[in-house]
Amino acid sequence: AQSVTQLGSHVSVSEGALVLLRCNYSSSVPPYLFWYVQYPNQGLQLLLKYTSAATLVKGINGFEAEFKKSETSFHLTKPSAHMSDAAEYFCAVSDLEGAQKLVFGQGTRLTINP
Amino acid sequence: EPEVTQTPSHQVTQMGQEVILRCVPISNHLYFYWYRQILGQKVEFLVSFYNNEISEKSEIFDDQFSVERPDGSNFTLKIRSTKLEDSAMYFCASSVTDTSYEQYFGPGTRLTVT
Repeated sequence: AQSVTQLGSHVSVSEGALVLLRCNYSSSVPPYLFWYVQYPNQGLQLLLKYTSAATLVKGINGFEAEFKKSETSFHLTKPSAHMSDAAEYFCAVSDLEGAQKLVFGQGTRLTINP
Repeated sequence: EPEVTQTPSHQVTQMGQEVILRCVPISNHLYFYWYRQILGQKVEFLVSFYNNEISEKSEIFDDQFSVERPDGSNFTLKIRSTKLEDSAMYFCASSVTDTSYEQYFGPGTRLTVT
């Protein structure tokens, strides 16, 4: 069975600092991996996805993530945090074998300090 | 930009009552999903739906739950007899094909069972 672990339920960084949100996955088949963001009172918005092409994936709003098979990780980074990045971030995994469901991590709440 | 919509945004109901949560997926999408998020917990997959039938469902999706696409645009989730533990945020999502692996989420319906 697939699973996702996000290390740190809350992360706080200063504006302009590096953002690093950690995600580790478990999958018996080559995974598809996703990062979603949820702003207050809104739905889940796709930030980026890994679908077995380039291991370094660039997404919206300056975020990127690197797929590392040896570490079973898909950490999300942004070089310089902006106040508007404050939100909840979810890592998710899906398998390649036709099961369309997404399995989510527990989420990381990102706070940006001025 | 097309988006998934959900109504109502908040539903309060008494235990034992039936509720219907409504979703309008993106118009050219073929796959539809329901997820839920109990407060403070992970987003969990409930069910996926394609070609007017359930393609996968989780253990959570028991006989109290049903889904329907009553017309060409709506996708509904019915809970026959609500329990206190059904209180959660319910998200609808849609995707074009199962191989696109990109699901678009609605803003959610917060269901409160009293």
